[in-house]
Amino acid sequence: GNSVTQMEGPVTLSEEAFLTINCTYTATGYPSLFWYVQYPGEGLQLLLKATKADDKGSNKGFEATYRKETTSFHLEKGSVQVSDSAVYFCALRNDRGSTLGRLYFGRGTQLTVWP
Amino acid sequence: DVKVTQSSRYLVKRTGEKVFLECVQDMDHENMFWYRQDPGLGLRLIYFSYDVKMKEKGDIPEGYSVSREKKERFSLILESASTNQTSMYLCASSFWVGTGAQPQHFGDGTRLSIL
Repeated sequence: GNSVTQMEGPVTLSEEAFLTINCTYTATGYPSLFWYVQYPGEGLQLLLKATKADDKGSNKGFEATYRKETTSFHLEKGSVQVSDSAVYFCALRNDRGSTLGRLYFGRGTQLTVWP
Repeated sequence: DVKVTQSSRYLVKRTGEKVFLECVQDMDHENMFWYRQDPGLGLRLIYFSYDVKMKEKGDIPEGYSVSREKKERFSLILESASTNQTSMYLCASSFWVGTGAQPQHFGDGTRLSIL
């Protein structure tokens, strides 16, 4: 079946530190992969996406590369800011079969950045 | 910008009540989704719909039903509210096309408390 596993939090970093949040997936075929971010009191926002192997999604200084050989889509940022404090969700969409566009989410990783 | 609007940010109801959560999107999306979000469990899909009057069960449909009479509106119904349905409820919508790269757009959520 389809599933996503992401590293458990919480993750606590100082401002300007390097961030990695690990995400691995299980799926048949060629899913699309997403990172969503949820700021306090808000819904989820799309952060970046990748649709095929070796694609790199990027946005707001965050990057993630679709690695089919390791079934991974790790989120990275070179220098985090206090404003990056949020919950991050990895997700996949697999249109094989009858999944009809649903997303499969990881459990989320809470990131807190201190000044 | 895509707008997904949930009718209430906060809602308090009593055990046994019938509860309606409303969601409206303004982008002519075919797909609409209802999730609940609980600490440590991430997002879990309750129901989704890919067309008017069509619905599909997600991973945790028990105790819920849905209604989609118009394309832009998707309602979640708690038939007889119970305390274990206290949660954050998130609505989302997306296009359904064959590419698989269509992201879901989320509302800001309804925090529901059942007393």
